[in-house]
Amino acid sequence: AQTVTQSQPEMSVQEAETVTLSCTYDTSESDYYLFWYKQPPSRQMILVIRQEAYKQQNATENRFSVNFQKAAKSFSLKISDSQLGDAAMYFCAYQPFGGYQKVTFGIGTKLQVIP
Amino acid sequence: DADVTQTPRNRITKTGKRIMLECSQTKGHDRMYWYRQDPGLGLRLIYYSFDVKDINKGEISDGYSVSRQAQAKFSLSLESAIPNQTALYFCATSETGTGGGETQYFGPGTRLLVL
Repeated sequence: AQTVTQSQPEMSVQEAETVTLSCTYDTSESDYYLFWYKQPPSRQMILVIRQEAYKQQNATENRFSVNFQKAAKSFSLKISDSQLGDAAMYFCAYQPFGGYQKVTFGIGTKLQVIP
Repeated sequence: DADVTQTPRNRITKTGKRIMLECSQTKGHDRMYWYRQDPGLGLRLIYYSFDVKDINKGEISDGYSVSRQAQAKFSLSLESAIPNQTALYFCATSETGTGGGETQYFGPGTRLLVL
């Protein structure tokens, strides 16, 4: 069974600074997808960024980027120029490759942005 | 209007009562999911449906049942609610893909309290 571990229950960052959220996963698959989802205080979960394991290039979405280390099974999220609206719970998630695969979520990291 | 809606948004019920949580979507997606969120446990999959005729158990299906009434509607029932089913419940949808990696679109969640 695949597992996703987020070892930082809470993190804080000063506004305009950079923060990195950690995620590790365990799998025997060679092809899979990794995701970061954001859950703000409104509770509405939204996708932040997605990485395909067979792509070596790290995914980037504006101020959000990932550091994907396949051999180490590590998938960290870097938020640059942090803004107050980035304050949220962030969930790392894993999905094996294939048309009928489920997504497994980590327990989440709560990010606080300090003005 | 929201693409994925859940009713009710909040619910208080008593032990032993049967309740139903409803989910509707206008995204035209075939795939729908029910998750449960608990502090420190992240999101856990209860049931999922890859199309109208398909229903599958997730990792924590005991005590729950579902009904897929149409492509757009997926209901979760607690046959006899118990206090440890107190949680935040999310419905999600995704497109049908052949390789995986599809974005999941979440509803706003239902906060359930079982007394």
